[in-house]
Amino acid sequence: DAKTTQPPSMDCAEGRAANLPCNHSTISGNEYVYWYRQIHSQGPQYIIHGLKNNETNEMASLIITEDRKSSTLILPHATLRDTAVYYCIVRPVSNSGYALNFGKGTSLLVTP
Amino acid sequence: NAGVTQTPKFRVLKTGQSMTLLCAQDMNHEYMYWYRQDPGMGLRLIHYSVGEGTTAKGEVPDGYNVSRLKKQNFLLGLESAAPSQTSVYFCASGRNNYGYTFGSGTRLTVV
Repeated sequence: DAKTTQPPSMDCAEGRAANLPCNHSTISGNEYVYWYRQIHSQGPQYIIHGLKNNETNEMASLIITEDRKSSTLILPHATLRDTAVYYCIVRPVSNSGYALNFGKGTSLLVTP
Repeated sequence: NAGVTQTPKFRVLKTGQSMTLLCAQDMNHEYMYWYRQDPGMGLRLIHYSVGEGTTAKGEVPDGYNVSRLKKQNFLLGLESAAPSQTSVYFCASGRNNYGYTFGSGTRLTVV
């Protein structure tokens, strides 16, 4: 399984874009990049995933570099409710029930 | 559409007691998982199931048993609770190429 590396913590001002990086230099061609977040004491929440193209949904954008060795999750207008731990996870495309390995993630603090 | 429902939400057990945590999903997902999360730590996989009638061990399976007799339910059992099993337990369900859905957790204290 490809390993991911994320900064332990980041700050962002409310209303600004939050850019959370993730390094996955050993990712293989058949592995997705997934992002989840966990707001204090709640269950993790799926945000977005991608294979090699950039993706956008109502929550965030995912930018994957051309060589696929790193990615950035973008929250375009961070709010205080976006304060959470964000997890970048690599998962095989054909997973047959692959269990997610959460690691330590990035603790994002959005400040007023 | 309730998603993933965990019961109970809170429980206090005495050492040596047994209990079963229930996870129910209404999304017809094939895969189901049990994780535990200790204070200040990440989620660790206990057991998982890739289909009705099948289960497998995760990273920290000792002291737990599971059963998946129906596709929509995944049960986690503690046969003889120990203080080390004090934790928050999360259940998740999913299917290929989609994000997994998590329940809101069961907070278990063993005294």
